[in-house]
Amino acid sequence: QSALAQPPSASGSPGQSVTISCTGTSSDVGGYIYVSWYQHHPGKAPELMIYDVNERPSGVPDRFSGSKSGNTASLTVSGLQAEDEADYYCSSYAGSNIVLFGGGTKLTVL
Amino acid sequence: EVQLVQSGTEVKKPGESLKISCKGSGYSFSNYWIAWVRQMPGKGLEWMGIIYPDDSHAIYSPSFQGQVTISADKSISTAYLHWSSLKASDTAIYYCARPRGSSTSSYGYWGQGTLVTVSS
Repeated sequence: QSALAQPPSASGSPGQSVTISCTGTSSDVGGYIYVSWYQHHPGKAPELMIYDVNERPSGVPDRFSGSKSGNTASLTVSGLQAEDEADYYCSSYAGSNIVLFGGGTKLTVL
Repeated sequence: EVQLVQSGTEVKKPGESLKISCKGSGYSFSNYWIAWVRQMPGKGLEWMGIIYPDDSHAIYSPSFQGQVTISADKSISTAYLHWSSLKASDTAIYYCARPRGSSTSSYGYWGQGTLVTVSS
């Protein structure tokens, strides 16, 4: 089982939208709805932003949305704000109670 | 309020053993999986394994099987991550995390992280 593939970096200006992809296989991303996205600011604990592909925990702004097509999941951040600058990680259930993380994407707000 | 509180920073030498802890509160500790996640310096998150405290059933990532031991003591609501012989490459921040529901993924609750430094 390999880590899920994410682009190492993404960027956008305040107010713009940015989409981060997460590519796996039919044994993980493509095979289950259990795809999650985490925001991680250095020095802090990661925060769950999206679960089950497109569900938002309470308190997460609706600027954050998730989707999935085949073996690729995506996180879209709309109306970018300065505080959205962080590392973003996807994760997916991979069967047998195993979870895989993506390599992470550093989002820069220009 | 669900809280996971981890033990403090550790500085150890190669070959030493170490056990770090994660104490849960604000919920029924026995009935929710606890996962361990590694972040090496400058690198991403890696899922190490997970344990169900009620029966101490542990599942490991193939990458970490045999390298660490995950355990739990439900009587004191605490999960552990143990190394019998540390290596310099074990230097990392280690997080414990709890799923938001009964699943084994979607970690809605995280500990503050434990920094482990292994150096001669």
